[in-house]
Amino acid sequence: EAGVVQSPRYKIIEKKQPVAFWCNPISGHNTLYWYRQNLGQGPELLIRYENEEAVDDSQLPKDRFSAERLKGVDSTLKIQPAELGDSAVYLCASSSHRRSSYEQYFGPGTRLTVT
Amino acid sequence: AQSVTQLDSHVSVSEGTPVLLRCNYSSSYSPSLFWYVQHPNKGLQLLLKYTSAATLVKGINGFEAEFKKSETSFHLTKPSAHMSDAAEYFCGGLTGGGNKLTFGTGTQLKVEL
Repeated sequence: EAGVVQSPRYKIIEKKQPVAFWCNPISGHNTLYWYRQNLGQGPELLIRYENEEAVDDSQLPKDRFSAERLKGVDSTLKIQPAELGDSAVYLCASSSHRRSSYEQYFGPGTRLTVT
Repeated sequence: AQSVTQLDSHVSVSEGTPVLLRCNYSSSYSPSLFWYVQHPNKGLQLLLKYTSAATLVKGINGFEAEFKKSETSFHLTKPSAHMSDAAEYFCGGLTGGGNKLTFGTGTQLKVEL
């Protein structure tokens, strides 16, 4: 089966510009996660979706970050405006309750550099 | 709330020698624990998971981990390192009712000839 797909793989923008990341989860996976991974750190959850519903967005900086998962399949994470501190790798993951909600499958990530 | 601590940020071993990557957890209840591996420019891949079944968990690529409640540890081991094992390894634990995966800060494994 195809894995989690993310695009773009790399993005360089100037501060105050907007940026968007796209994720297509594994087919049939109802749960989708966005993580941010800072250099030298483990991933930190930003938001979790169960189908179309954002069930945990407590770590999402809502003043500049937004996310959507229309139709409960692919998802977009947006930052507007970007700040220097947003430079990180943004990872998308998905899981299926039919197998195990514990096993999350990760995409390759989008490496964002804000200059 | 559950948290995990990886005790070493970098580990270096020679090819063919054993690997030990250390992880401690703190939890007020029986934890679910994981090890993931991340190769450069790749996503995280699940190596193994502990979900309160057998305390010795076998994973992919010859890795295994032992859950020790008395020591609150879940160390990752492999009897013989291979060059392809060089990567970053993350210990993780579930919290938030079983849906939130919290990661340690990672251990960079270097394998030398």
